[in-house]
Amino acid sequence: VQLVESGGGLVQPGGSLRLSCAASGVIFSNYDMSWVRQAPGKGLEWVSSISNSGTSTFYAGSVKGRFTISRDNSKNTLTLLMNSLTSDDTAIYYCAKHWDVWGRGTTVTVAS
Amino acid sequence: QSVLTQPPSASGTPGQRVTISCSGSSSNIANFNVNWFQQLPGTAPKLLIYNNNQRPSGVPDRFSGSKSGTSASLAISGLQSEDEAEYYCATWDGSLTGHVFGPGTKVTVL
Repeated sequence: VQLVESGGGLVQPGGSLRLSCAASGVIFSNYDMSWVRQAPGKGLEWVSSISNSGTSTFYAGSVKGRFTISRDNSKNTLTLLMNSLTSDDTAIYYCAKHWDVWGRGTTVTVAS
Repeated sequence: QSVLTQPPSASGTPGQRVTISCSGSSSNIANFNVNWFQQLPGTAPKLLIYNNNQRPSGVPDRFSGSKSGTSASLAISGLQSEDEAEYYCATWDGSLTGHVFGPGTKVTVL
């Protein structure tokens, strides 16, 4: 079972970024998925979750209204669309299959 | 500021038993399962305990979890040098309608 995140990078404040998480070796549609982030030198922060079918989504207060989680079970892919980014969103973003498999993370840096 | 409270640090000598607490409330720990994660420096978190006291395959039985009321605990018995890591508790919060992580506890092996 493997999760591989991509899409991170440097973005200006106010900008947008789309993160992806590709799953392999697992029946992706069976599992709820989440994004968790970790700012430099800080602890883990839950960002967003989506049910296995994609019908239910949940967001941390810090990202609600700015981030959108989605999934494509036909492509075994989880996505996080991030808008109106600020420096507080600078972090490593991990995708996780609840909760026993984690990707290595992708780094998002918001700076001018 | 997390709704879960963990001590910032814990330590012990090799072979000792170390316990990490995770304190919450009726909106989280008291009514939902607790998971524990281990994070070694520079690596992704690893699930250590799920559903309060269950160990995933491959996790040594030196690690054990428990829950009572609004608190949960992770115990590491027979502490080893490779246990030096950050440990996080996590659960669902019904009031926040989202998952929450504790602030983390850094375990040092003296």
